[in-house]
Amino acid sequence: GESVGLHLPTLSVQEGDNSIINCAYSNSASDYFIWYKQESGKGPQFIIDIRSNMDKRQGQRVTVLLNKTVKHLSLQIAATQPGDSAVYFCAENKNDYKLSFGAGTTVTVRA
Amino acid sequence: DAGVTQSPTHLIKTRGQQVTLRCSPKSGHDTVSWYQQALGQGPQFIFQYYEEEERQRGNFPDRFSGHQFPNYSSELNVNALLLGDSALYLCASSLAPGTGVETQYFGPGTRLLVL
Repeated sequence: GESVGLHLPTLSVQEGDNSIINCAYSNSASDYFIWYKQESGKGPQFIIDIRSNMDKRQGQRVTVLLNKTVKHLSLQIAATQPGDSAVYFCAENKNDYKLSFGAGTTVTVRA
Repeated sequence: DAGVTQSPTHLIKTRGQQVTLRCSPKSGHDTVSWYQQALGQGPQFIFQYYEEEERQRGNFPDRFSGHQFPNYSSELNVNALLLGDSALYLCASSLAPGTGVETQYFGPGTRLLVL
């Protein structure tokens, strides 16, 4: 079946550097994408979303890029901080209001 | 502004038993979705409730059932528990389908262990 997947299961980044987390999706009918952050023992926390009619969206220290041609989604975190250490999930919504998640990327910030 | 709440936080059951998990949506939200998250995996959609009816369902057996109350809170019931039902059960709330705002906000989850 179609699903959302992440390129790398783990990412180690130096504190202060920028992080880039990638995600590939296969369903061209998806029209809404979301990034969530999940810390140990907690539920997923909404970070940022983007609709399929957009290529880029910026938030506070985060930017999501959407490349529909190659079905690729990325999350960029500027000036990564220790509090950014978590598992990051991309999810897609195919206009049926149920989210499909990838397996996640574990980000570890080195001091 | 109250966020999504879930109870209990942890639960231990034995095989064959039944369990009920509860969720209160974020203030202003009327739609509740339930997800199962196995260790090391992403959440998997179970079903969604809106206007007290099940609107969408994922690939889960009939042992998984739910309910939504007039105050928009929801319950997830699992019958005849299996070892493989051990997971973190997440509730997410959102505005109604068709509003154009699909963002789902998650609660802290209920950790279920089946022995």
